[in-house]
Amino acid sequence: ETGVTQTPRHLVMGMTNKKSLKCEQHLGHNAMYWYKQSAKKPLELMFVYNFKEQTENNSVPSRFSPECPNSSHLFLHLHTLQPEDSALYLCASSQLSEKLFFGSGTQLSVL
Amino acid sequence: DAKTTQPNSMESNEEEPVHLPCNHSTISGTDYIHWYRQLPSQGPEYVIHGLTSNVNNRMASLAIAEDRKSSTLILHRATLRDAAVYYCILPQYNNNDMRFGAGTRLTVKP
Repeated sequence: ETGVTQTPRHLVMGMTNKKSLKCEQHLGHNAMYWYKQSAKKPLELMFVYNFKEQTENNSVPSRFSPECPNSSHLFLHLHTLQPEDSALYLCASSQLSEKLFFGSGTQLSVL
Repeated sequence: DAKTTQPNSMESNEEEPVHLPCNHSTISGTDYIHWYRQLPSQGPEYVIHGLTSNVNNRMASLAIAEDRKSSTLILHRATLRDAAVYYCILPQYNNNDMRFGAGTRLTVKP
């Protein structure tokens, strides 16, 4: 148990659906991250939030929309995804740029 | 951007030491060196980090070259549970840039 909780663990959605991934941490961290990990590929940093402000957006398509309502919660809103978006989506948090704590991830399948 | 280079894969025998190398020739003076590992079907977990001096903890040791352009993660006695992908990263503190490379896939043979 890392202190970072992601829900749901698994998600299957059609290309026309809208869904949201949730991440929660109660570690008192000020930074939260979304990563994407496709099969047999390295982790890709998608978004970074520092004190609820987005500080990094690594050319992620607009069909992925992050939201950080407070320092403890992070969402990734998904709409009109493509099959190639199927991947493991990982959330992490850290205090400033100290060590990262990762959640277990959401395994997403887009049909 | 500071980048790291690691071998794609390594093999080890159970109960033997493992030395996982990482090159970071463009490291700046203030960059910390972090190591994480990712077990199958899990998110990455923190292993160890250091700046200049060698570091030890219950999981591993980190040996940092004197010029800081390379480092080595040392698992003193590999177990089957140490089979994972090991990542060496250089967090960028000014913008929370915590990017990962491909890492080294460690296989431990019984």
